[in-house]
Amino acid sequence: KAGVTQTPRYLIKTRGQQVTLSCSPISGHRSVSWYQQTPGQGLQFLFEYFSETQRNKGNFPGRFSGRQFSNSRSEMNVSTLELGDSALYLCASSWGLAGALVDEQYFGPGTRLTVT
Amino acid sequence: DAKTTQPTSMDCAEGRAANLPCNHSTISGNEYVYWYRQIHSQGPQYIIHGLKNNETNEMASLIITEDRKSSTLILPHATLRDTAVYYCVDKLIFGTGTRLQVFP
Repeated sequence: KAGVTQTPRYLIKTRGQQVTLSCSPISGHRSVSWYQQTPGQGLQFLFEYFSETQRNKGNFPGRFSGRQFSNSRSEMNVSTLELGDSALYLCASSWGLAGALVDEQYFGPGTRLTVT
Repeated sequence: DAKTTQPTSMDCAEGRAANLPCNHSTISGNEYVYWYRQIHSQGPQYIIHGLKNNETNEMASLIITEDRKSSTLILPHATLRDTAVYYCVDKLIFGTGTRLQVFP
């Protein structure tokens, strides 16, 4: 079956602009999580969506937001971009079943965002 | 908040066992520990998970201490293709990772 896909793969934006990244999970997966990866901070958890609801949230400012659609596809938005937002943004999907304690994540290839 | 700590880097000779430790002292009693690895510029790849008992699959073995505050990922016969960053994960929080370099 198809893996997690992310679009676009590469993006260049200017400081102050906003950006929307897209993630299509593995078919049947209902949980989508987003991560930011930078050389200095490593892999940091942004948020998780399950059944169109944000279920978990990391420690990022409100400029970072997301949503999930009824088909489980998810988008992440970053407003008022800053130079420090330059990073690889990874999305991961899993079954996300409520109460399930075992739920490995499958990652997409990421979107590399460069803010100039 | 969930937090895991790992050594920054480790070396291992090809064919030898690589033992990668992780401290996860904040893990809850019913939370699994997951291990992933990331090969340069790719998304992380799931390796193994465990709760209390030691686990083994085709990729690796996982040893979890009785108090569940730490675990060790074991690659029994490391190959050059195992060179990667290995992450120990508590809930959705990734640790800083260990960069494993396997050398010939």
